[in-house]
Amino acid sequence: EADIYQTPRYLVIGTGKKITLECSQTMGHDKMYWYQQDPGMELHLIHYSYGVNSTEKGDLSSESTVSRIRTEHFPLTLESARPSHTSQYLCASSEYFFGRRTDTQYFGPGTRLTVL
Amino acid sequence: ELKVEQNPLFLSMQEGKNYTIYCNYSTTSDRLYWYRQDPGKSLESLFVLLSNGAVKQEGRLMASLDTKARLSTLHITAAVHDLSATYFCAVEDGVNAGNMLTFGGGTRLMVKP
Repeated sequence: EADIYQTPRYLVIGTGKKITLECSQTMGHDKMYWYQQDPGMELHLIHYSYGVNSTEKGDLSSESTVSRIRTEHFPLTLESARPSHTSQYLCASSEYFFGRRTDTQYFGPGTRLTVL
Repeated sequence: ELKVEQNPLFLSMQEGKNYTIYCNYSTTSDRLYWYRQDPGKSLESLFVLLSNGAVKQEGRLMASLDTKARLSTLHITAAVHDLSATYFCAVEDGVNAGNMLTFGGGTRLMVKP
């Protein structure tokens, strides 16, 4: 069983507020990801990281930012939340070795964000 | 750009019946994943298919991969209500995108008693 945690699980917040969604994993995985998913819909990759001090943007344009200061921690920040940011945000991690293909991505429980 | 298509998007079936979910993808890949998602929950890994002809089975679910046809199937045998969930396939693009996963749109399965 994967050990990947997200907090908060649910967040309702007003427009214009700054928020940070937390994601931590205890598996020592180098690679971490953030996905955005509307209910019952496909997942869209918004950010990923190969390791400490590495961050990349994913396929879906997002106004959020991420940081990777520690291997186990990959927080996502929205500087000014808007109703269009209402969605579920899923964090995932996987092992990564240079020159080898990655392994299964393990997902956290998700944060359901509602911006009023 | 890698595209992944699942069908059907929605499937309602009776308990005890068999059915197959299809996952087609558009570019070369030999690594495909199947995930399950219960309503309001996160994704749980079901299968990893690593090569052409790979077949994996767990309980009433069996997944296979045909890399030449760029097709994976998830076969459900004698469905039970507990299998009701949304099933996603995801394809790893090892050539162009640093081993990123591209997800299909999901198949929402409802098994009725």
